[in-house]
Amino acid sequence: DADVTQTPRNRITKTGKRIMLECSQTKGHDRMYWYRQDPGLGLRLIYYSFDVKDINKGEISDGYSVSRQAQAKFSLSLESAIPNQTALYFCATSSDRGNTEAFFGQGTRLTVV
Amino acid sequence: TQLLEQSPQFLSIQEGENLTVYCNSSSVFSSLQWYRQEPGEGPVLLVTVVTGGEVKKLKRLTFQFGDARKDSSLHITAAQPGDTGLYLCAGLPGSNYKLTFGKGTLLTVNP
Repeated sequence: DADVTQTPRNRITKTGKRIMLECSQTKGHDRMYWYRQDPGLGLRLIYYSFDVKDINKGEISDGYSVSRQAQAKFSLSLESAIPNQTALYFCATSSDRGNTEAFFGQGTRLTVV
Repeated sequence: TQLLEQSPQFLSIQEGENLTVYCNSSSVFSSLQWYRQEPGEGPVLLVTVVTGGEVKKLKRLTFQFGDARKDSSLHITAAQPGDTGLYLCAGLPGSNYKLTFGKGTLLTVNP
């Protein structure tokens, strides 16, 4: 099984709909992240959480919200999806000590029509 | 906000050629990481450099961290089609900070 699992892998939704992307990890890491990737723009940070009680906005948080339900689970919601939120979304985890390597899920390809 | 500038943004070369990609910032990082991403997959860590001036080698890939810990380079010798992918650098300003990614260099190695 993958260390970081994202569901769904692909999703097409209509403008105005609420959608939730889920992420779970088996690494035992405290730190979790949600990134968005658009062609030519690399990875942009949406939200991050350093532990269950900690939620922080990233550089592009408008239109998104998150919930850290447990150490292993971090979900991303689009309250009212719009077409320019069409992108590839990645969840990642990292440790807060020693090796700071980020482990990524396989991504969720979201299309808003 | 610590910004990482990667160059070039796109690079298309022939098999067997050498190449260097760069990651530059005006900020100091406690460590810098290089990731490679293949289509349809998440990025995967290649190396972490933590000491100014450090050089690490991974087969045909050579990574260097600048003396001032503000920049890094990745050199690939005798590139192969399997090296094709998006190369991302990521910097960590300190242990209590979030990882910041550059926009990446998209490398295509043609047979």
